[in-house]
Amino acid sequence: NAGVTQTPKFRILKIGQSMTLQCTQDMNHNYMYWYRQDPGMGLKLIYYSVGAGITDKGEVPNGYNVSRSTTEDFPLRLELAAPSQTSVYFCASRTGTGDTGELFFGEGSRLTVL
Amino acid sequence: GQNIDQPTEMTATEGAIVQINCTYQTSGFNGLFWYQQHAGEAPTFLSYNVLDGLEEKGRFSSFLSRSKGYSYLLLKELQMKDSASYLCAVLDSNYQLIWGAGTKLIIKP
Repeated sequence: NAGVTQTPKFRILKIGQSMTLQCTQDMNHNYMYWYRQDPGMGLKLIYYSVGAGITDKGEVPNGYNVSRSTTEDFPLRLELAAPSQTSVYFCASRTGTGDTGELFFGEGSRLTVL
Repeated sequence: GQNIDQPTEMTATEGAIVQINCTYQTSGFNGLFWYQQHAGEAPTFLSYNVLDGLEEKGRFSSFLSRSKGYSYLLLKELQMKDSASYLCAVLDSNYQLIWGAGTKLIIKP
């Protein structure tokens, strides 16, 4: 099983450019998340979704946008990239209500903004 | 506010035992998780505690005291491959995960 798949794994952006980080899961999970992790730090929640058509802001949403048109896909859009968005981005999913809450993570996308 | 505290870094010797502590203050509690994260990789699930007591899984054990807002992860017979960061996370009343900053564990021969 593929689990949670993120693309690209690495990307270098110039200041002001835009890009989309793709995330797809094949486990029919309702809940999906986008986190960023700066060096030596914990995970910070950017956006999350509890099902198709529903998204909500997390702790650090500024500069990002998401959509959830299908259960499988949860892309993260960066508009007008800034050096402060240099980070490792993780997409994750879980079943949803009634589960233990265990998250399944993608391999991460390392983004550098110069 | 919600807060999870764990030590920033710990050092231990190969073959020894180490205990990583986690204290939390959250709005509600629906379980506590420990994840392992090797450098440059995604976190992977280690354990889940929702009731007080000790959960043992091979060389790893996790303990929870809900009244004290406290958990620990116990690693026995340490191996070099156990060098990683260990993340404590609490599932709050809204079923959202609140994450600690992680404890970097360094294993020395």
